[in-house]
Amino acid sequence: GENVEQHPSTLSVQEGDSAVIKCTYSDSASNYFPWYKQELGKRPQLIIDIRSNVGEKKDQRIAVTLNKTAKHFSLHITETQPEDSAVYFCAASGGRVSTLTFGKGTMLLVSP
Amino acid sequence: NAGVMQNPRHLVRRRGQEARLRCSPMKGHSHVYWYRQLPEEGLKFMVYLQKENIIDESGMPKERFSAEFPKEGPSILRIQQVVRGDSAAYFCASSGQGGYFTDTQYFGPGTRLTVL
Repeated sequence: GENVEQHPSTLSVQEGDSAVIKCTYSDSASNYFPWYKQELGKRPQLIIDIRSNVGEKKDQRIAVTLNKTAKHFSLHITETQPEDSAVYFCAASGGRVSTLTFGKGTMLLVSP
Repeated sequence: NAGVMQNPRHLVRRRGQEARLRCSPMKGHSHVYWYRQLPEEGLKFMVYLQKENIIDESGMPKERFSAEFPKEGPSILRIQQVVRGDSAAYFCASSGQGGYFTDTQYFGPGTRLTVL
């Protein structure tokens, strides 16, 4: 089955800096890659997603890039703010059924 | 426009009791997914259901766990004879499409199960 690795497990940045979180996946048939943000005690919330027919997608301060050949995708957050502090999860899906396989998460801490 | 609803939000059970977790998908969604999140871990897929059908239960333990999504009413995840290791947050998600196409999955607030 699919396996998703996520790095780093923790990331500390200063407000205004950029943050990059990277994920690799194992199943070349995967074609959908969402990113979720989860605040403490809350539900995971979708922040951006990308399908395998595009290489990059941007939404204001957030962007995701996908390299299908290398089987990795990354989340980029620019101009970080303290409210960006949360755990971020990448996931991969597709090929067989629409279930999501998640990475273990990255705890992002943005210091004022 | 109500999102995904789960109840109860918190559930405490003693070892050996049964736990029933309920999930009502977003309006218009017929695909439901259950995930388990252990403390400080990622989400692990358990089971995927459509109305009256289990599509994929490859992530669900073979014993003590079962799930259903009846024609009427919420989806239910049932854990019989709970053990301490079942303590976790259980999230359900719903989507408008499924099968071989992965639609956006929207998550509910979760049920936090504590087994004493």
